[in-house]
Amino acid sequence: SQKIEQNSEALNIQEGKTATLTCNYTNYSPAYLQWYRQDPGRGPVFLLLIRENEKEKRKERLKVTFDTTLKQSLFHITASQPADSATYLCAPDTGRRALTFGSGTRLQVQP
Amino acid sequence: GAGVSQSPSNKVTEKGKDVELRCDPISGHTALYWYRQSLGQGLEFLIYFQGNSAPDKSGLPSDRFSAERTGGSVSTLTIQRTQQEDSAVYLCASSPRATNDEQFFGPGTRLTVL
Repeated sequence: SQKIEQNSEALNIQEGKTATLTCNYTNYSPAYLQWYRQDPGRGPVFLLLIRENEKEKRKERLKVTFDTTLKQSLFHITASQPADSATYLCAPDTGRRALTFGSGTRLQVQP
Repeated sequence: GAGVSQSPSNKVTEKGKDVELRCDPISGHTALYWYRQSLGQGLEFLIYFQGNSAPDKSGLPSDRFSAERTGGSVSTLTIQRTQQEDSAVYLCASSPRATNDEQFFGPGTRLTVL
């Protein structure tokens, strides 16, 4: 069955460093993958979408890669700030209209 | 412009009671989704509406759950005979089309079943 894995352990980094979060998927090949940010008590907010024919996509301090051979997407935040602290969710396309989300990785950026 | 709104923001109910949760999607968005997020868990798909097509109900956990979307806009999720395991945050999202568009989420309704 399709499986989506994100590191359940929180990622703690120092302000100014680059945060790298991982999303692995197994048993299928998504045509695209979305990343969302979720703050406590709020709904997820869309950040980036990357398609299978794109190796990398950037938006300001954010960068997403999509390796269809490794079945993995990496989400990078450069020059991280305490305001970047949140839970980050990946949602690889599963062929259905609704999104299937990973369980998310909580990022904590220390000042 | 206005985003997705949901009401109520919090709902506390007793086991066995029925509850209705409301979602107002972004105007003009044809696709509407309901998800559920239990404490410390990921988002779980419940039901999806697209235009006038029959909804995709494949994520509803039991026949106690139902949803409707009136006039292609507002949606109501109904849970009958609530159980304690129904306690969760219920999130609604909308998107302009049914394809791989980004989804815009509401703030959610926190349901607590005592």
